[in-house]
Amino acid sequence: DAGVIQSPRHEVTEMGQEVTLRCKPISGHDYLFWYRQTMMRGLELLIYFNNNVPIDDSGMPEDRFSAKMPNASFSTLKIQPSEPRDSAVYFCASSRGTEAFFGQGTRLTVV
Amino acid sequence: AQSVTQLGSHVSVSEGALVLLRCNYSSSVPPYLFWYVQYPNQGLQLLLKYTSAATLVKGINGFEAEFKKSETSFHLTKPSAHMSDAAEYFCAVSVGTSYDKVIFGPGTSLSVIP
Repeated sequence: DAGVIQSPRHEVTEMGQEVTLRCKPISGHDYLFWYRQTMMRGLELLIYFNNNVPIDDSGMPEDRFSAKMPNASFSTLKIQPSEPRDSAVYFCASSRGTEAFFGQGTRLTVV
Repeated sequence: AQSVTQLGSHVSVSEGALVLLRCNYSSSVPPYLFWYVQYPNQGLQLLLKYTSAATLVKGINGFEAEFKKSETSFHLTKPSAHMSDAAEYFCAVSVGTSYDKVIFGPGTSLSVIP
């Protein structure tokens, strides 16, 4: 398996624009997680899905953030409108048990 | 509620010296414990995990960690540091048998001096 695949690896966008981050989990994994990593706040769990259903979105910072998982092999994290404080590395991870496998992340810069 | 603390946000060791990264946890029930490593511009990679079997857990790249319930600790060690060990290390704790309740520590940045 190729592991968790995220796209794009880097994204630079202007404040106010919509940003969509994409994730393909490892086949057979039934959990999918979205994390955000910043120097100030470390690694934060934003939302996670189990069998494509959102279970806990209490980490989503505000209504500008939304996540979907239309099927077992694809998830998106959308920010609309984006703000400079959203600049961070966003990780997707998938799991089917006691450990998670992380993608390489998307580095988002909002200018 | 679970929580994880990592003593020392930055640790420097000489090449060939012992690596010791500290992790303490709090949990109301027996936890699962993990150490992850993050190399520059990469995602997190599992080093090792404790799931209530042997208290001394061996992981990849020569790392190991010992679960000490009396001290609520899960420190990570490696006898001899290599330059390639320079990275960010995260301790994490979960409750139960699935990953969905994992809490990550703030991380420790390891530098290896030649």
